[in-house]
Amino acid sequence: DQQVKQNSPSLSVQEGRISILNCDYTNSMFDYFLWYKKYPAEGPTFLISISSIKDKNEDGRFTVFLNKSAKHLSLHIVPSQPGDSAVYFCVAGYGGATNKLIFGTGTLLAVQP
Amino acid sequence: DSGVTQTPKHLITATGQRVTLRCSPRSGDLSVYWYQQSLDQGLQFLIQYYNGEERAKGNILERFSAQQFPDLHSELNLSSLELGDSALYFCASRGQGRSEAFFGQGTRLTVV
Repeated sequence: DQQVKQNSPSLSVQEGRISILNCDYTNSMFDYFLWYKKYPAEGPTFLISISSIKDKNEDGRFTVFLNKSAKHLSLHIVPSQPGDSAVYFCVAGYGGATNKLIFGTGTLLAVQP
Repeated sequence: DSGVTQTPKHLITATGQRVTLRCSPRSGDLSVYWYQQSLDQGLQFLIQYYNGEERAKGNILERFSAQQFPDLHSELNLSSLELGDSALYFCASRGQGRSEAFFGQGTRLTVV
């Protein structure tokens, strides 16, 4: 049972444009969500997170939007840069430091120069 | 550098063998997570430890086991290895009250 779904396995965007990565989840008990970026043969790197009590969080070029009623979140990258090309994972978690983090299947973002 | 150290980086072993993967969390982090990534798929949660105790379990096979020691480092033991166990194994640690976990560089296990 895939609780966190990223339905687009890949996305191609021109440099300087906006990248929008989408994520859907099924469990309304998740307390927070995170986005990770991963290059091949490296560990995932934390990008940005959002609590379930918020609907937007922004950090530089990265903004995450959360729509709890739709159980949907998205990551916006503006402007996109070639160095952003990587796999992006949507991750959901429960409150506290003692529970598991559930990863989505990932979206491969390719930013074309 | 995430501060999470995994050893070894690469491991090649034969079917039926047993291996131990080691993880040193970031200083002060009490939670350690183990994940498996096969063939560029998503990360599958295996198990979580918090301050030496098992706290959550995912799709971990009975042939696999883990533990977290008093110094907070963790080991993942994989036994009776099969070809299908070939994968990247990641360890992550998380601090108290933090939402984000920090990942190590992973151990690439190849079973031949």
